[in-house]
Amino acid sequence: EVQLLESGGGLVQPGGSLRLSCAASGFTFSNYVMNWVRQAPGKGLEWVSTIGTAGSTYYADSVKGRFTISRDNSKNTLYLQMNSLRAEDTAVYYCAKDVVGVLAPDYWGQGTLVTVSS
Amino acid sequence: DIVMTQTPLSSPVTLGQPASISCRSTQSLVHSDGNTYLSWLQQRPGQPPRLLIYQISNRFPGVPDRFSGSGAGTDFTLKISRVEAEDVGVYYCMQTALTTRTFGQGTKLEIK
Repeated sequence: EVQLLESGGGLVQPGGSLRLSCAASGFTFSNYVMNWVRQAPGKGLEWVSTIGTAGSTYYADSVKGRFTISRDNSKNTLYLQMNSLRAEDTAVYYCAKDVVGVLAPDYWGQGTLVTVSS
Repeated sequence: DIVMTQTPLSSPVTLGQPASISCRSTQSLVHSDGNTYLSWLQQRPGQPPRLLIYQISNRFPGVPDRFSGSGAGTDFTLKISRVEAEDVGVYYCMQTALTTRTFGQGTKLEIK
């Protein structure tokens, strides 16, 4: 069974940093494109970042230069390093895996809440 | 970036009746590989999103056949043939044709 378990969320002050993790199981992690998607309270979904199987990375303009996506295939874990956090980064952050060769996110974690506030 | 615009933003539907959601992109979603990367996702209250349809019209395994997708280029539609109570939630279109992905604003489906 595919499982994605996010962790690392919490309360952080503006300008602070946080690293999110997503532990994957039930599939061969290294073979899949992985994503981070966020959802601000009461709002819609916002794509944040994607990492390919070979390590290529892509970011939304709103986080480019501040967030870094990475993966450790030996640990079956996806990461999101978030620096220079702003109030508008407050959201539930989901990790999601793509269907192979289809560029669509099929399995999602339950999400971890990041709150940026003083 | 590609902007995805959904209509309507809210859709009150009677149980057993059909529902339709439109999604329009600001540029073609046809990839250089010839495929069109437009997906539909459902988010039930308090749940993470769930993939319903990928590449315009392909139903993800386990998705009921009352859900169908259609369209081409920049105009796409999700249809529910007969709405059931479990279909309540927010529906999003998503483009993955470009390396920078984008979602539509979401359409809230509710029962009248």
